[in-house]
Amino acid sequence: SQKIEQNSEALNIQEGKTATLTCNYTNYSPAYLQWYRQDPGRGPVFLLLIRENEKEKRKERLKVTFDTTLKQSLFHITASQPADSATYLCALEKHLGNTGKLIFGQGTTLQVKP
Amino acid sequence: GAVVSQHPSWVICKSGTSVKIECRSLDFQATTMFWYRQFPKQSLMLMATSNEGSKATYEQGVEKDKFLINHASLTLSTLTVTSAHPEDSSFYICSARDLRGQTGELFFGEGSRLTVL
Repeated sequence: SQKIEQNSEALNIQEGKTATLTCNYTNYSPAYLQWYRQDPGRGPVFLLLIRENEKEKRKERLKVTFDTTLKQSLFHITASQPADSATYLCALEKHLGNTGKLIFGQGTTLQVKP
Repeated sequence: GAVVSQHPSWVICKSGTSVKIECRSLDFQATTMFWYRQFPKQSLMLMATSNEGSKATYEQGVEKDKFLINHASLTLSTLTVTSAHPEDSSFYICSARDLRGQTGELFFGEGSRLTVL
């Protein structure tokens, strides 16, 4: 069955360092992959989308890579700040095509310490 | 970005009662909305797809008679948890896609926390 895995252990880093989060998937051939941020008690907020033909995508301090051979995406936050502390979710379309039905990983909680 | 609003943000009810949660797209029309459920420290689980003007489609294992979905207009979908029990206590989140942007991301509501006593 389709599976998305993120490191369930919390990631603790020092302010100013680069945070790297991993998303692995199996039994999928997604056309694109998305990353969301979720704060406690809130709904997820979209951050970045990367397509299968894109190796890397950047948005301000965020960078996402997508390796369809390894079936893995890496999410980087450079010059991290305490305000970046949140849970980060990766998501894939459940079915081929742009249906909007997303399957989410369990999320990795990032804690940036001042 | 597009805005999706949910109401209520939290609700406490007695076991056996029904609870309605509303999801509205405030600045765009959404022919399709999605309902997710999230238990503490777990990921979002897709429950159903709400289709404007037609029946909702439910994911495997989700009871359609338990979770009634109505998509009455292009900006409103409602989820009714019928005969709620403590195990239905969860964080319910709706989402919609703004097709004008064609970027594929979903816009989520703020979520509704249901506690069944």
